[in-house]
Amino acid sequence: GENVEQHPSTLSVQEGDSAVIKCTYSDSASNYFPWYKQELGKGPQLIIDIRSNVGEKKDQRIAVTLNKTAKHFSLHITETQPEDSAVYFCAASIDSSYKLIFGSGTRLLVRP
Amino acid sequence: DAGVIQSPRHEVTEMGQEVTLRCKPISGHNSLFWYRQTMMRGLELLIYFNNNVPIDDSGMPEDRFSAKMPNASFSTLKIQPSEPRDSAVYFCASRTGTGVEKLFFGSGTQLSVL
Repeated sequence: GENVEQHPSTLSVQEGDSAVIKCTYSDSASNYFPWYKQELGKGPQLIIDIRSNVGEKKDQRIAVTLNKTAKHFSLHITETQPEDSAVYFCAASIDSSYKLIFGSGTRLLVRP
Repeated sequence: DAGVIQSPRHEVTEMGQEVTLRCKPISGHNSLFWYRQTMMRGLELLIYFNNNVPIDDSGMPEDRFSAKMPNASFSTLKIQPSEPRDSAVYFCASRTGTGVEKLFFGSGTQLSVL
């Protein structure tokens, strides 16, 4: 089955700097890659997703890149703000499947 | 829309007691998921329902766990008897359709079994 590895487990950046979180997946059939943000005491919320027919997708300060050959994808947050502090999860799935396999999460701390 | 509603938010119980977690999915969503979150194992899918029918319960840890979805607007996850290792945050999530689409999570139930 699919396995998703996520790094780093914790990341601390200065406000205004960029943050990058990386994930690798094992199943070459996976073609859908969402990223979820989990704030303290809340459930994960989808912030951006990408499908395998696209190499990059951007939404304001957030971007995701996908390298299908290497089977890895990354989340990039630019101009970080304290409110970006949260746990971020990557996930992978096959389009025809219902199962989202999550990475282990990255705790991002943005220092003011 | 109120989103996915879970209750209770917190549950503290003693080992051996029965625990029932509740979930109301978003109206119109016909897929419902129960996840468990722990530090050690991350987010684990326990069971998936589509149109109120359990499709995959391979993630349910053992027979002590059971889940039901009697109608489109309500689901329960029951643990009987509960054990300390069941302590975790349990999330319910829902989405439309059967394909891969945006998953909406509830706020979770923090379960502590003493």
